Amino acid sequence: EVQLVESGGGLVLPGGSLRLSCAASGFTFSNSAMNWVRQAPGKGLEWVSTISASGGRTYYADSVKGRFVISRDNSKNTLHLQMNSLSAEDTAVYYCAKGLFGSGSANDYWGQGTLVAVSS
Amino acid sequence: EIEMTQSPATLSVSPGEGATLSCRASQSVSSNLAWYQQKPGQAPRLLIYGASTRATGIPARFSGSGSGTEFALTISSLQSEDFAVYFCQQYNNWPLTFGGGTKVEIK
Repeated sequence: EVQLVESGGGLVLPGGSLRLSCAASGFTFSNSAMNWVRQAPGKGLEWVSTISASGGRTYYADSVKGRFVISRDNSKNTLHLQMNSLSAEDTAVYYCAKGLFGSGSANDYWGQGTLVAVSS
Repeated sequence: EIEMTQSPATLSVSPGEGATLSCRASQSVSSNLAWYQQKPGQAPRLLIYGASTRATGIPARFSGSGSGTEFALTISSLQSEDFAVYFCQQYNNWPLTFGGGTKVEIK
């Protein structure tokens, strides 16, 4: 059974940093592109970032480019999102999602999400 | 950036009736279009990818159609568990973009 479990969310001050993690199991993690997608309270879905299976290629939404860094550790089946210079606009539930095919595809499995709240 | 527009924003349907949800792309996305279902407090679930291919375990009452810029998700006979919010997503171009969603509610 595929499982994606996010962690690392919480309350952070504006301008602060947070590192999210996603522990993956039930599939060959090193063969799968991975994604972060967020959802602000009561709003729709927003793609944040994608990393290729090897980690050699990364992609970012303009809204987070230069502030967020996606990475992965294929030896530990773990995905990360380092978030810096956070603002209220980054408040959202952050989902880790597995790419169905390569980078730039639909997401066939999603974690339950971790809430990031940016507030003073 | 490709803008995805879903309509209607809300659809009121009686159980057992059919429903058709629309998704329009601001430029062609070929067949690189997915549909997701999301219930309150839950993560999205993949229903359809490649515009018309059902994901693993998705009932046959869900079907997708379209290509280019016009897409539809049809639910042939709504069950109680189908009342939810539905999102489309294009994955033809970066950045990947989602539609704003259609809420399917009980009439």
